[in-house]
Amino acid sequence: DADVTQTPRNRITKTGKRIMLECSQTKGHDRMYWYRQDPGLGLRLIYYSFDVKDINKGEISDGYSVSRQAQAKFSLSLESAIPNQTALYFCATEERGTLEQYFGPGTRLTVT
Amino acid sequence: SQELEQSPQSLIVQEGKNLTINCTSSKTLYGLYWYKQKYGEGLIFLMMLQKGGEEKSHEKITAKLDEKKQQSSLHITASQPSHAGIYLCGAFAGTASKLTFGTGTRLQVTL
Repeated sequence: DADVTQTPRNRITKTGKRIMLECSQTKGHDRMYWYRQDPGLGLRLIYYSFDVKDINKGEISDGYSVSRQAQAKFSLSLESAIPNQTALYFCATEERGTLEQYFGPGTRLTVT
Repeated sequence: SQELEQSPQSLIVQEGKNLTINCTSSKTLYGLYWYKQKYGEGLIFLMMLQKGGEEKSHEKITAKLDEKKQQSSLHITASQPSHAGIYLCGAFAGTASKLTFGTGTRLQVTL
C-alpha cells in the first residue's frame, strides 16, 4: 500500500462549488504539505502543517483552506472553486529533521 | 538512487554582493527545481529547469542547467537581506514519487 494517498485522484467540478481534497499517510511523519503544480512550473506551496495544532499558509494560500484532523490526515478545501484553480494537487509528508518529502500520487482537479 | 550535492553548504555575504550556489547530481537530471526555504517554513518554488543549457531568471535570481544536465547553478545578483534562507535544489528520482532535495545551502546576508 502507498504511504501517502490522496482522494479523489481526478475531479471535475463547476465554478463556485465547494470541494475537498483529502490526504492520508501511514509514514508517521509530523509534517504535511499541500502543493499545486501547473504546467511548466514546479511545486508551489499552498499550506503546510508541522503538527496537528500547527497550520501555516504557503505562498499561494488565497482561495484555499486546510484541516489537520489527525497526524495522518491533512485535507485541502476550495470553498468556492474558480477555473484558475485547475491544477494538479500534491500532498507530501516529511519526517522532521530530513530534507526528503514523500508525495502522494496527486489529484487532478478541473474547474469548469 | 539519485543524489544531489550542493555547494557551498553555507554562505555569508555582504549585502550588495553577488553569489553562486551549485547543485551537482549523481545522475542525469530530467527536471531540476530550485526552492527557497525560510527558517521554519515550507518550500517556496523559485524555478524549474528541464533542458540542457536552459537559463531562467526571476528578479535578481538566475538559474542555469548545464549542457550535460548533471549540474545546475543559482546566481543571485546584488544580494539583499530578503535573500537569506536555505536554498534547495530538488529532482524527482526517475518515476519515484519522492522529490529528492540537495543538501541545501544556508545563505546569510549581512548589512
